Amino acid sequence: GENVEQHPSTLSVQEGDSAVIKCTYSDSASNYFPWYKQELGKRPQLIIDIRSNVGEKKDQRIAVTLNKTAKHFSLHITETQPEDSAVYFCAASKGGSYIPTFGRGTSLIVHP
Amino acid sequence: DAGVIQSPRHEVTEMGQEVTLRCKPISGHNSLFWYRQTMMRGLELLIYFNNNVPIDDSGMPEDRFSAKMPNASFSTLKIQPSEPRDSAVYFCASSPGGDRTEAFFGQGTRLTVV
Repeated sequence: GENVEQHPSTLSVQEGDSAVIKCTYSDSASNYFPWYKQELGKRPQLIIDIRSNVGEKKDQRIAVTLNKTAKHFSLHITETQPEDSAVYFCAASKGGSYIPTFGRGTSLIVHP
Repeated sequence: DAGVIQSPRHEVTEMGQEVTLRCKPISGHNSLFWYRQTMMRGLELLIYFNNNVPIDDSGMPEDRFSAKMPNASFSTLKIQPSEPRDSAVYFCASSPGGDRTEAFFGQGTRLTVV
């Protein structure tokens, strides 16, 4: 089955800095890569996703890049703010039966 | 739509007792997932239903765990008998299916087995 590795497990940055979270996946057939944000005590919620037919996608301060050859994808957050503090999960899935396999999560802490 | 609804939000039970977690997916979604979240293991997929049929239950840890989806609007996850190591947050999520692949999570049930 699919295996998703996520790094780092914890990331501490100063407000205004950029943050990068990286994930690798094992199944070359995976074609959908969502990123979820989970604030303390709340549910995971989708913040951005990318499909295998594109290499990069942006949404305001958030961007995701995908390298299919290397089987890795990354989340980039620019101009971080304290409200960006949360746990971020990457995931990978494939085909018509969408079963996301999640990474272990990255705890992002943005210091004011 | 109120989103994915789970109940109860919190459950404290004694070891050996039966626990039933409930989930109402978003109307019209044909995929439903049960996940378990712990600090040690992160988000683990327990079981996946498509059109009310269990498709992948390879993540169910052992025979003490069972899940049902009797209709498109309701699913249960049962643990019998419960053990302290089952303590975790259990999430239910649903997805529209087809080209729309986002998973929408419920608020979760925090289970504590003492």
